[in-house]
Amino acid sequence: GNSVTQMEGPVTLSEEAFLTINCTYTATGYPSLFWYVQYPGEGLQLLLKATKADDKGSNKGFEATYRKETTSFHLEKGSVQVSDSAVYFCALSEGGNTGKLIFGQGTTLQVKP
Amino acid sequence: DSGVTQTPKHLITATGQRVTLRCSPRSGDLSVYWYQQSLDQGLQFLIQYYNGEERAKGNILERFSAQQFPDLHSELNLSSLELGDSALYFCASSSDGQGSQPQHFGDGTRLSIL
Repeated sequence: GNSVTQMEGPVTLSEEAFLTINCTYTATGYPSLFWYVQYPGEGLQLLLKATKADDKGSNKGFEATYRKETTSFHLEKGSVQVSDSAVYFCALSEGGNTGKLIFGQGTTLQVKP
Repeated sequence: DSGVTQTPKHLITATGQRVTLRCSPRSGDLSVYWYQQSLDQGLQFLIQYYNGEERAKGNILERFSAQQFPDLHSELNLSSLELGDSALYFCASSSDGQGSQPQHFGDGTRLSIL
C-alpha cells in the first residue's frame, strides 16, 4: 500500500541555521503531497502542498519540491527561528474518490536561540 | 483558529466504557475525516464522511463507529474501550471529498483510558 517515510528526529538546530527534513513516499498513481506542522497542544496546520511532479510548494519561508523520479518531497528552510520549533508531518493524498491522508511518522524540530 | 471544533478536549474513562467524540466542521465544508494519533502507531486515518455518506474507511476497529448528521457535524463512538485506545483523536474537514482542497484540523480530543 501507499506509505510515507520521514527522517527520524529530533532535529536540533541553532537559530538561523538551514533546515532539511527528508520525506520519501511510495504510491501508485499520482498522489498530492503535503507538509503539515503541529505546535504543542494544537491540531495540524497545512504548511504547503504540491499536486503534481516538479511543483514547488512554499509558505512562510518553507519550500518543498515534488520529485517524482526520486519519490521525494523534502522540506527546506533557509534560516530557522525559535518559533519554528514544532512537529512536522509529511503526508500524501491518493485522490480518487477520497481525500484521506497517509502521514509519515513526524519529525520534531527544536530550534535553540 | 482552523474553524473546526472538537469536544470534549479531554476525556478520562475506564476500560470497557463507551464514549462519544464530537466534531463541528468549518462552515461550508462537506467532508469530515477522523484520525487517531498515538505514540506507537503515529497518525492514522480512521474514516471519512462526505455530505452525510461514508466515503472511505481506514484502520478503524469494529468497536468504533462514526456518523455525519444532516447539519454536517460528526460523532465518533468508541465502545468496549481498551487501554490501547488511549490516543489523541483529530477531526478534519474540507470543502471537497477528493483531496483537491486542504484539510483543516481541530485541536483534538485526548482520550485517556485508566
